[in-house]
Amino acid sequence: NAGVTQTPKFQVLKTGQSMTLQCAQDMNHEYMSWYRQDPGMGLRLIHYSVGAGITDQGEVPNGYNVSRSTTEDFPLRLLSAAPSQTSVYFCASSYAGTSGINEQYFGPGTRLTVT
Amino acid sequence: AQSVAQPEDQVNVAEGNPLTVKCTYSVSGNPYLFWYVQYPNRGLQFLLKYITGDNLVKGSYGFEAEFNKSQTSFHLKKPSALVSDSALYFCAVRDRVQNNAGNMLTFGGGTRLMVKP
Repeated sequence: NAGVTQTPKFQVLKTGQSMTLQCAQDMNHEYMSWYRQDPGMGLRLIHYSVGAGITDQGEVPNGYNVSRSTTEDFPLRLLSAAPSQTSVYFCASSYAGTSGINEQYFGPGTRLTVT
Repeated sequence: AQSVAQPEDQVNVAEGNPLTVKCTYSVSGNPYLFWYVQYPNRGLQFLLKYITGDNLVKGSYGFEAEFNKSQTSFHLKKPSALVSDSALYFCAVRDRVQNNAGNMLTFGGGTRLMVKP
């Protein structure tokens, strides 16, 4: 299994540009999510999905859109990039499970710089 | 609302000494608690979790954590640190009563562990 893959690894955007960060998993996980990581702030949840066709907002959703048309893919779209969106973005996935809560598997991250 | 505090930005330990990375949490109900580790330029990796039962949880790479409900803490420990343990460590929490939110977690700010030879 490749696990969780993310592309690109690095990206530089100009303010106002749009782009899509790709995320795919081959573990047949129901749950997928996007986080951003900023120094001293840990990871903050942007959007998440509990299954194909179902998405919801996390803690910091403004400026980002997501869709989940398949179980495997969960792209994150930046509508109009702003310098405040400079960050490292992580995609994660996990099994739904029937009891308790299951650990998340993280991709390697995308380092985004907006100038 | 749920929250996690990791009061130390950095912990320095000599190789072979015991290490502790501190975590306290706040939830309205009972918590699910996790520790993850991040090596340079990598995504987070799962170390261990507390769901229910024994307050002492054992995880990967010789790490363990103790759930203390009265102190709302979940400190990460290891009896003998290795240089290769040097990394960024994140504590995370979710309230058990949270529904329809997948397995999404609230993360602390992270603690950098430096183990020196």
